[in-house]
Amino acid sequence: DQQVKQNSPSLSVQEGRISILNCDYTNSMFDYFLWYKKYPAEGPTFLISISSIKDKNEDGRFTVFLNKSAKHLSLHIVPSQPGDSAVYFCAAIPNTGTASKLTFGTGTRLQVTL
Amino acid sequence: DGGITQSPKYLFRKEGQNVTLSCEQNLNHDAMYWYRQDPGQGLRLIYYSQIVNDFQKGDIAEGYSVSREKKESFPLTVTSAQKNPTAFYLCASSIRTGQNNSPLHFGNGTRLTVT
Repeated sequence: DQQVKQNSPSLSVQEGRISILNCDYTNSMFDYFLWYKKYPAEGPTFLISISSIKDKNEDGRFTVFLNKSAKHLSLHIVPSQPGDSAVYFCAAIPNTGTASKLTFGTGTRLQVTL
Repeated sequence: DGGITQSPKYLFRKEGQNVTLSCEQNLNHDAMYWYRQDPGQGLRLIYYSQIVNDFQKGDIAEGYSVSREKKESFPLTVTSAQKNPTAFYLCASSIRTGQNNSPLHFGNGTRLTVT
């Protein structure tokens, strides 16, 4: 039972345009969400997070939006750059949990083309 | 330069052999984790440790064992009981597990191939 779903396995975006990566979750107990970025043959690196008390969090070119009623979050990258090409994982933690209860999605591979 | 070191990067073993994956961190983090990544799947938690000499099973602990004798080290042994050991293994650490806004720091992984 996949509680965190990233339904798009891949996404291709032109350099300079906006990249939108989506994530849906089914567990209403999740209240903290994170995005990780992973290059091939490397470990994931933390990108940005959002608490359920917010609906938006911004950090430079990266913005995460949370729609609790729809159990949906998205990561926007504007403008997209070739270095953003990587696999992006969405992850969630329940309000009773800690980092040990982190649940990851299956990832979306973003390719930013010239 | 602080970080998490996993070694080796690639590991090959024959079926039926136990193998130990190394994970060392110099971030002074209390908590350490082992994840497994398979194609088309998210990261799945194998074991985690919140403090020295203590560890807990994750979602897929069967066929694995760990130890946490030192704060800096959290080796993972893949035993012959693990039915599908071929995978990419990721070690991670965090400041503590008591707060959910303590993001994980990952090593660069070990790709284990068992034939």
